[in-house]
Amino acid sequence: NAGVTQTPKFQVLKTGQSMTLQCAQDMNHEYMSWYRQDPGMGLRLIHYSVGAGITDQGEVPNGYNVSRSTTEDFPLRLLSAAPSQTSVYFCASSYELRGGNEKLFFGSGTQLSVL
Amino acid sequence: GQQVMQIPQYQHVQEGEDFTTYCNSSTTLSNIQWYKQRPGGHPVFLIQLVKSGEVKKQKRLTFQFGEAKKNSSLHITATQTTDVGTYFCAGGTSGTYKYIFGTGTRLKVLA
Repeated sequence: NAGVTQTPKFQVLKTGQSMTLQCAQDMNHEYMSWYRQDPGMGLRLIHYSVGAGITDQGEVPNGYNVSRSTTEDFPLRLLSAAPSQTSVYFCASSYELRGGNEKLFFGSGTQLSVL
Repeated sequence: GQQVMQIPQYQHVQEGEDFTTYCNSSTTLSNIQWYKQRPGGHPVFLIQLVKSGEVKKQKRLTFQFGEAKKNSSLHITATQTTDVGTYFCAGGTSGTYKYIFGTGTRLKVLA
């Protein structure tokens, strides 16, 4: 049971390049989400999904796309990277969406630099 | 949109001193969660509070949820060097699946 797995751990991009951050969980969680973490700003929600085929925007969705074709995977796509997207990205999942037990399990993060 | 603020942003304490961080939401919450992130690590779930006025304890940690369900606090008694890290609150709102995180409080414990 690996939990939430993110790849890659580190990535350097040039402005305008595209890439996909991978996130996979093996806990059969319905809820998955992406956050970015910047100094002094905490964790900000980018996109989230409540099940396969269902995605929605978070606080800061511009510049990012997501899809959820399977329960296990929730990739985050940067179509044209910008320096403002330099950040640490965390994927998180949760089993229950109701019932008072919606704790989030986080991956180890991807540190992205856009030059 | 919903905003969650935490104070203080930073706190340095001597080992053995107490520590408190406060979390305030601009909207009424259905529940609040607390997470701890060690330096270089990822956030790890500590606890979830659901009821108005709820108080929960985990060893030296005491968590409170305000009566109006718009604020919360985390109090650590007699801090230890293992308490070092950033503490985040995250608010959930009824009818949505968004967990909005606070700005975090970075705790440094001096031995």
